[in-house]
Amino acid sequence: GQQVMQIPQYQHVQEGEDFTTYCNSSTTLSNIQWYKQRPGGHPVFLIQLVKSGEVKKQKRLTFQFGEAKKNSSLHITATQTTDVGTYFCADNTDKLIFGTGTRLQVFP
Amino acid sequence: EAQVTQNPRYLITVTGKKLTVTCSQNMNHEYMSWYRQDPGLGLRQIYYSMNVEVTDKGDVPEGYKVSRKEKRNFPLILESPSPNQTSLYFCASSLKFTGSGHEQYFGPGTRLTVT
Repeated sequence: GQQVMQIPQYQHVQEGEDFTTYCNSSTTLSNIQWYKQRPGGHPVFLIQLVKSGEVKKQKRLTFQFGEAKKNSSLHITATQTTDVGTYFCADNTDKLIFGTGTRLQVFP
Repeated sequence: EAQVTQNPRYLITVTGKKLTVTCSQNMNHEYMSWYRQDPGLGLRQIYYSMNVEVTDKGDVPEGYKVSRKEKRNFPLILESPSPNQTSLYFCASSLKFTGSGHEQYFGPGTRLTVT
């Protein structure tokens, strides 16, 4: 079956450094949703990407959808301690297939 | 306030003792789903429901049952819990089925321990 992998699994950064998580699928993605889960919390929707090559920005967050629709990335510029959490991508077909997640830790 | 609620939030039980985790949403969403979250495995879908009386298996349905008699409620039933069902469970809902591009709203989670 389809596998959606994310790398890295963990990332520790100093506050102010940039961070990127990559989402890769074994099959072509329908469209991609990104979620953030704070420690002890539940996943919260961030954004959806639909078109090949699409780029969307939310303040310091930049989301990209690969040209071949087999990968996606989330880049955070100048991380803050409020960015701490696990970031998941999910392929949005008839069901949501989640990636394995990247846990981000930000040190002040 | 628009939300998805789950009860209980924490549960410790013994092998074989039937239990139900309730899930309710107040957003008139058609689509509801249950996930389990385990370290290193991300979120895996257990069951989903596209509307009342319509349910289907997700990726890890073994050992679980669901029902969707009303639009707002989607309980998860463990008829005979086993230790490998110890996990963090999330209920989620969205306006329509996920392929339509609608975001999913997650409940706060239920941490289940089966001894």
